[in-house]
Amino acid sequence: ETGVTQSPTHLIKTRGQQVTLRCSSQSGHNTVSWYQQALGQGPQFIFQYYREEENGRGNFPPRFSGLQFPNYSSELNVNALELDDSALYLCASSFLSGRGNTGELFFGEGSRLTVL
Amino acid sequence: GEDVEQSLFLSVREGDSSVINCTYTDSSSTYLYWYKQEPGAGLQLLTYIFSNMDMKQDQRLTVLLNKKDKHLSLRIADTQTGDSAIYFCAEKSHDMRFGAGTRLTVKP
Repeated sequence: ETGVTQSPTHLIKTRGQQVTLRCSSQSGHNTVSWYQQALGQGPQFIFQYYREEENGRGNFPPRFSGLQFPNYSSELNVNALELDDSALYLCASSFLSGRGNTGELFFGEGSRLTVL
Repeated sequence: GEDVEQSLFLSVREGDSSVINCTYTDSSSTYLYWYKQEPGAGLQLLTYIFSNMDMKQDQRLTVLLNKKDKHLSLRIADTQTGDSAIYFCAEKSHDMRFGAGTRLTVKP
């Protein structure tokens, strides 16, 4: 069974630039969620994708956008980067069935973004 | 918005029990979770409890849920140095919300 993998592991950008982060979900999972974890904080929910559509969104501006592909992998895109976007971005996959699920999330190791 | 709160630090001696506490505000939470994060790593699910349960035991881990008071705790028996990490409480109603994490330090 393949776990959740994310790329890149680290990257540095400057203010105003755009970034794309990638995630491959765990085998058998159909749902991907993205979280932002600032230093010393808990993860904050950005959004979730299910069947290639956004299925819930946290309190993040529209410059945070995402995609889910038919193979359930996902991308997080952030435009017009700001200094406060510096954080660890975590991808988590899960399996959502028609009857709902326990919500267990399986996390990748994250992509650490530094904005200068 | 709805909050999940935890104390930030806990220090115990190896072999002692650790108890990490959490409070939440969303009464519609269906599941509550404990995750562990080691330095430089993602979050690892330790255990979860359904909101209609009041206790769950899994080897050295015991989760207690007081739904009336919206209080969740994680007890780690016989704490080892390898248990040193940050522990996050999380609750799920629609999306999953995490606390800020409790940094557990285990002294030899």
